[in-house]
Amino acid sequence: GQNIDQPTEMTATEGAIVQINCTYQTSGFNGLFWYQQHAGEAPTFLSYNVLDGLEEKGRFSSFLSRSKGYSYLLLKELQMKDSASYLCAVRDSNYQLIWGAGTKLIIKP
Amino acid sequence: TAGITQAPTSQILAAGRSMTLRCTQDMRHNAMYWYRQDLGLGLRLIHYSNTAGTTGKGEVPDGYSVSRANTDDFPLTLASAVPSQTSVYFCASSDTGVTEAFFGQGTRLTVV
Repeated sequence: GQNIDQPTEMTATEGAIVQINCTYQTSGFNGLFWYQQHAGEAPTFLSYNVLDGLEEKGRFSSFLSRSKGYSYLLLKELQMKDSASYLCAVRDSNYQLIWGAGTKLIIKP
Repeated sequence: TAGITQAPTSQILAAGRSMTLRCTQDMRHNAMYWYRQDLGLGLRLIHYSNTAGTTGKGEVPDGYSVSRANTDDFPLTLASAVPSQTSVYFCASSDTGVTEAFFGQGTRLTVV
């Protein structure tokens, strides 16, 4: 079966750095996505990785290792507004998105 | 503002009743999707459409039906609602199914 694993919840301090990991086992691979979802709102796109390596976009970076079935989202200089759930999703061989359950990130002052 | 719109925002529905959740996008995206999101579970695909006139079943299609008469609209119908269909429903769209998906604001449905 297909599976996406990510931690259920993480806590970090304002101004610090946090890394959210995602491991996957899917039938084929056509890219990995990270989305942010604030409570009661829709998911919004953060990043996309299809090749191995690091993609940097401002305070957020995403890394991919296809051989290890592994990705992480790195958030720097954390702000209170970063408190949200972060969803990892993989596009499989049928170009369908397989979603993880999400990681709830709690930022403390 | 361009984007994807869902209606209604929330609904309480008696078990056994039917209901259609509406979804409209103005981005001219080919692909559209319906997901349900339940606490502790990831987004689960109900039905999808890769282009107008075609639809496909996702991971959890039972009890739901869709149609795609044109590019912009992708309604989801519950023929006879059951309490297990209580969930938050998200409609999404993407261009050709390869790029990122854009989501509507969601419909919170409670079946009692």
